[in-house]
Amino acid sequence: GAVVSQHPSRVICKSGTSVKIECRSLDFQATTMFWYRQFPKKSLMLMATSNEGSKATYEQGVEKDKFLINHASLTLSTLTVTSAHPEDSSFYICSAPKGGGLFGTDTQYFGPGTRLTVL
Amino acid sequence: KNEVEQSPQNLTAQEGEFITINCSYSVGISALHWLQQHPGGGIVSLFMLSSGKKKHGRLIATINIQEKHSSLHITASHPRDSAVYICAVEGGADGLTFGKGTHLIIQP
Repeated sequence: GAVVSQHPSRVICKSGTSVKIECRSLDFQATTMFWYRQFPKKSLMLMATSNEGSKATYEQGVEKDKFLINHASLTLSTLTVTSAHPEDSSFYICSAPKGGGLFGTDTQYFGPGTRLTVL
Repeated sequence: KNEVEQSPQNLTAQEGEFITINCSYSVGISALHWLQQHPGGGIVSLFMLSSGKKKHGRLIATINIQEKHSSLHITASHPRDSAVYICAVEGGADGLTFGKGTHLIIQP
């Protein structure tokens, strides 16, 4: 089956630094990828839709300048948390849709997630 | 590592029918999520459960911690409920473990 990887799986950084998280589709191309965030004890929240060759589409309330998204190629999207703050500590997940699913829909493949801790 | 199984994988039903989607997991968890994905779209989080039952509109989610099992119910189903429903569990250091999803089609 299709595989989506994320790197790193865990990262600890100091306040004020920037952290880059990579999401790769390993055996298929994805013109769109999605980034989610999970707050402690809460459910997933869609942050943004990453589009290859164009700007990302951010959900309401998500700071574009803080969470920079770059869809560099058809197999790679990156999320950069800039000037990280302890409140940015969270679990970040990406997903990529692959066509050919049942009923003509895309099948969503999830990365394993990245645990970010900002000290 | 937790193993998450959903059933059925595919379900087609008529409008108005009561729908049940099941999720079972192998290792104790801290929370279970039900997610909804519409064709071509991202994920919408429906419920997060750690015990008992939650209701939102026509959707009901239950969890039995002892049996390691959760169900998602849709009452008075409607074509707009057609989507992929995904169960995801969390616990320990593994982050989220996702089920493969249930493809639901509600026919008018």
